[in-house]
Amino acid sequence: KQEVTQIPAALSVPEGENLVLNCSFTDSAIYNLQWFRQDPGKGLTSLLLIQSSQREQTSGRLNASLDKSSGRSTLYIAASQPGDSATYLCAVSWLGSGGYNKLIFGAGTRLAVHP
Amino acid sequence: KAGVTQTPRYLIKTRGQQVTLSCSPISGHRSVSWYQQTPGQGLQFLFEYFSETQRNKGNFPGRFSGRQFSNSRSEMNVSTLELGDSALYLCASSHNYNEQFFGPGTRLTVL
Repeated sequence: KQEVTQIPAALSVPEGENLVLNCSFTDSAIYNLQWFRQDPGKGLTSLLLIQSSQREQTSGRLNASLDKSSGRSTLYIAASQPGDSATYLCAVSWLGSGGYNKLIFGAGTRLAVHP
Repeated sequence: KAGVTQTPRYLIKTRGQQVTLSCSPISGHRSVSWYQQTPGQGLQFLFEYFSETQRNKGNFPGRFSGRQFSNSRSEMNVSTLELGDSALYLCASSHNYNEQFFGPGTRLTVL
């Protein structure tokens, strides 16, 4: 069964810290992996998309890596700010899943950055 | 470029009723996917439409259905509502099999 797991479930850090969010997935035959941010009661904001042939993607203070062989991805947030407080979701689509746009989501990591 | 829009943003229905939700994708995107988000089950894939055809379907009962129009706008319908259908319903659009962009969601409450 194709599953996505995110650790930790919640994280509270002081402003300015660098932090790492983890995502693991069963079955290394992925098509792509996408990181999202969700603010309470809102929709999802796409942060980074990593294709299966890529090892990492960067956008501003965010860097996402992908290691298919170990079934892991990490989202690195540099110099965290209170505005980064949100739930971060990892989502994976697999080859042969019947549709490359079918995303399987992890349960998310709830991040709180305090001043 | 305008983002994904969903209407209505909030709905309150009673058990047994039916509901229709609407999603307008980003201009040029032909794929629209629907997801249900609940505190207990998280985000779950409902179905995907591409060029007016259902291309993929998740594990939901037949009460959940959808369709897509020639302009790529999509609707999903839930018939015979149950309390457990209370959720945030999100739609996402994409260009081919690339990055997916989500709308703000429709919050459905079933009483």
